Amino acid sequence: NAGVMQNPRHLVRRRGQEARLRCSPMKGHSHVYWYRQLPEEGLKFMVYLQKENIIDESGMPKERFSAEFPKEGPSILRIQQVVRGDSAAYFCASSPPRQNSNQPQHFGDGTRLSIL
Amino acid sequence: DQQVKQNSPSLSVQEGRISILNCDYTNSMFDYFLWYKKYPAEGPTFLISISSIKDKNEDGRFTVFLNKSAKHLSLHIVPSQPGDSAVYFCAASFTTSGTYKYIFGTGTRLKVLA
Repeated sequence: NAGVMQNPRHLVRRRGQEARLRCSPMKGHSHVYWYRQLPEEGLKFMVYLQKENIIDESGMPKERFSAEFPKEGPSILRIQQVVRGDSAAYFCASSPPRQNSNQPQHFGDGTRLSIL
Repeated sequence: DQQVKQNSPSLSVQEGRISILNCDYTNSMFDYFLWYKKYPAEGPTFLISISSIKDKNEDGRFTVFLNKSAKHLSLHIVPSQPGDSAVYFCAASFTTSGTYKYIFGTGTRLKVLA
């Protein structure tokens, strides 16, 4: 009964490198959300995806950030040319296909990204 | 523009007493409200929710109250236990353009003192 799986749990990158964060949703879940939590702040929505589709990316920075959720495999959040300000905890959440908004999201334990 | 606000960053309560965590929102389009609990180094865990058509939902020691006219909701934990010490996030959701959006507050750190 695996929950939402995120890897790696911790990722260290130097400025200018690329960071790839992976998220496998719960079994039967086809909706994936990515959130970022900066120190002492709440969860900031980044992007909402369904299989092979980006539904809402209004929270994504315009440059360097991209996300995908392919037909097969995990969802990937990709950050190119990382900068110190990208250091944060990145959480993935999933939910099942739904008929209404009354479906709580299930979260992974996050990836802590540190930029040197 | 913070649509969901948790104005108390922290709260300390004695074990056995009631914990009351508050949340205010601005968007009248929200139709579902949720509370999540988060321990350090873990992801948020869903705790309890309430639909906008209700004013109260109870689950064991946890009760959520919704006051739509004041755009305010609260989470009551009674009796509080040391294991309840965590960060609590309030979230609100609504439907827009056929999709569902969740907005989270900044969290309240609850400390239950033994």
